[in-house]
Amino acid sequence: AQRVTQPEKLLSVFKGAPVELKCNYSYSGSPELFWYVQYSRQRLQLLLRHISRESIKGFTADLNKGETSFHLKKPFAQEEDSAMYYCALSGTGNTPLVFGKGTRLSVIA
Amino acid sequence: GAGVSQSPSNKVTEKGKDVELRCDPISGHTALYWYRQRLGQGLEFLIYFQGNSAPDKSGLPSDRFSAERTGESVSTLTIQRTQQEDSAVYLCASSTLGQPQHFGDGTRLSIL
Repeated sequence: AQRVTQPEKLLSVFKGAPVELKCNYSYSGSPELFWYVQYSRQRLQLLLRHISRESIKGFTADLNKGETSFHLKKPFAQEEDSAMYYCALSGTGNTPLVFGKGTRLSVIA
Repeated sequence: GAGVSQSPSNKVTEKGKDVELRCDPISGHTALYWYRQRLGQGLEFLIYFQGNSAPDKSGLPSDRFSAERTGESVSTLTIQRTQQEDSAVYLCASSTLGQPQHFGDGTRLSIL
């Protein structure tokens, strides 16, 4: 079965502290992994996809196939990072996304 | 540059009524998806259209839910005889081959 697990509903960190949002997945095959972000009063938007291996807004995520994880990391959190973060997977091609339940990141000044 | 557009943004209706939600995908995007997000939950897949292929309806929760798409343009999601558990934000996304999905703002549906 395809499943994405984000164990933390809420994560609060101080500004300047490191951030790690956890994501584990279950999928038979080779999935594509994504992080989507939703800022207050904005639409859901793509933050990262594992195949592009980019760093966006200082965030990175590495796909660990052995641990079936795709944790999102940032060395120094900023207040503007406060948002809802969703980890998602899909099969190859334009297949529908399977989402985790999301983690709300709150960065405290 | 227009993104994915959904209407209405909010819909309040009485239990038992039918509702129709609309999605305008990004021009040229062959794939269109509907998702539902109930309070405190992640997004759950409902239905997926890819070009002229038969839609993947595997996520529709009951036969009260249906969706149509005209070619590679507008899609409508219809919920018949609405129930209170249908209250949710309904999100539409579109994509082109090999590219990630772009989401609309969603329709917040409230069933009284």
